Amino acid sequence: GAVVSQHPSWVICKSGTSVKIECRSLDFQATTMFWYRQFPKQSLMLMATSNEGSKATYEQGVEKDKFLINHASLTLSTLTVTSAHPEDSSFYICSANGEVGTEAFFGQGTRLTVV
Amino acid sequence: TQLLEQSPQFLSIQEGENLTVYCNSSSVFSSLQWYRQEPGEGPVLLVTVVTGGEVKKLKRLTFQFGDARKDSSLHITAAQPGDTGLYLCAGGGAGNMLTFGGGTRLMVKP
Repeated sequence: GAVVSQHPSWVICKSGTSVKIECRSLDFQATTMFWYRQFPKQSLMLMATSNEGSKATYEQGVEKDKFLINHASLTLSTLTVTSAHPEDSSFYICSANGEVGTEAFFGQGTRLTVV
Repeated sequence: TQLLEQSPQFLSIQEGENLTVYCNSSSVFSSLQWYRQEPGEGPVLLVTVVTGGEVKKLKRLTFQFGDARKDSSLHITAAQPGDTGLYLCAGGGAGNMLTFGGGTRLMVKP
């Protein structure tokens, strides 16, 4: 099946710094990728839809200047958490739909801890 | 806004028991997917149902999509400790966007 790789798996950073998370579709092209945030023991919350070659679409309440998304190629989307604060600590997950259509494949997730 | 209500939120059972997880909405979805997620990992797709009334079986797991494509259920027979995890239902909509239910955290005790 389709594989989505997310990197890094975990990262610790200091407050005020920026962190970039990569999401790659390894064996298929993804014109659209999705970024989610997940708090402990909760479900996934959609943050934004990443569109190849155009601006990302952010969900209500998600700061686009805080969470920068770039989808420069058909196999790579990046999420940059800018000026990170401890409240940004969370589990971030990306997904992409396989070429067949409806099935979504998820990356392994990135646990971000801001200290 | 499409919403998916998933119940129960938490379930703790003994090995060998049966259980059912429900996913309900007032909205119609083009597809309904079930995922299982373990701590520190991304969700893994279990099944996709697309036709109203569809039933799919995956070993001890039985998935059903409601006739009106607004609800779904996951039934696990003779649960095992290895079934422990977070189960998520997700409804498919426009642009391949998924709407996730709140999740059901299942713990199966040996």
